[in-house]
Amino acid sequence: AQSVTQPDIHITVSEGASLELRCNYSYGATPYLFWYVQSPGQGLQLLLKYFSGDTLVQGIKGFEAEFKRSQSSFNLRKPSVHWSDAAEYFCAVVPPAGGSYIPTFGRGTSLIVHP
Amino acid sequence: DTEVTQTPKHLVMGMTNKKSLKCEQHMGHRAMYWYKQKAKKPPELMFVYSYEKLSINESVPSRFSPECPNSSLLNLHLHALQPEDSALYLCASSQDSPANHPYTLFFGQGTRLTVV
Repeated sequence: AQSVTQPDIHITVSEGASLELRCNYSYGATPYLFWYVQSPGQGLQLLLKYFSGDTLVQGIKGFEAEFKRSQSSFNLRKPSVHWSDAAEYFCAVVPPAGGSYIPTFGRGTSLIVHP
Repeated sequence: DTEVTQTPKHLVMGMTNKKSLKCEQHMGHRAMYWYKQKAKKPPELMFVYSYEKLSINESVPSRFSPECPNSSLLNLHLHALQPEDSALYLCASSQDSPANHPYTLFFGQGTRLTVV
């Protein structure tokens, strides 16, 4: 089945350390790709998105993501994590063709930041 | 104004009650969405309105009744809910219909619903 996978349920990092959250998709063609963040008790907020072009995408709050076609991946990175980055992170994909452009969300990765 | 505003933030209701959730945006967006989110899970799509018309209903039980009175407002009317309907209900909007393009979703903070 076509889907999006976030392999890590939880990730724990120390404040100031680098971060990489994984996202893989299984579509025949390149889908539209998004990363959203949900802070506790809040709605989701778009961090960044990839439709085409440069495979390294810059987003808000110092985040970036790299699209790798060969690995069907769109991993989210941040060079130095802040305590306020503790949140739930959702990768979302929209299939590349036809019908409806509603995103399918991955199950989410919970980021825990230690002081 | 880039906000989607949801009221109330919290709601506790009995299984025989009738209540409504409200969502408002003033970004000129033409599509609005209701999502349901259980703890530690991704949001699940319930309904989509495009240009004030219901375009997607994800086989949601009839005890949930959406309404879009105008392009800025979206309501979700609740009646005879079950305890398993307790969840965070998120409203979102996008610039235009998701039938045309993968637009960014702008989410409200949600209404935390508890059914007792």
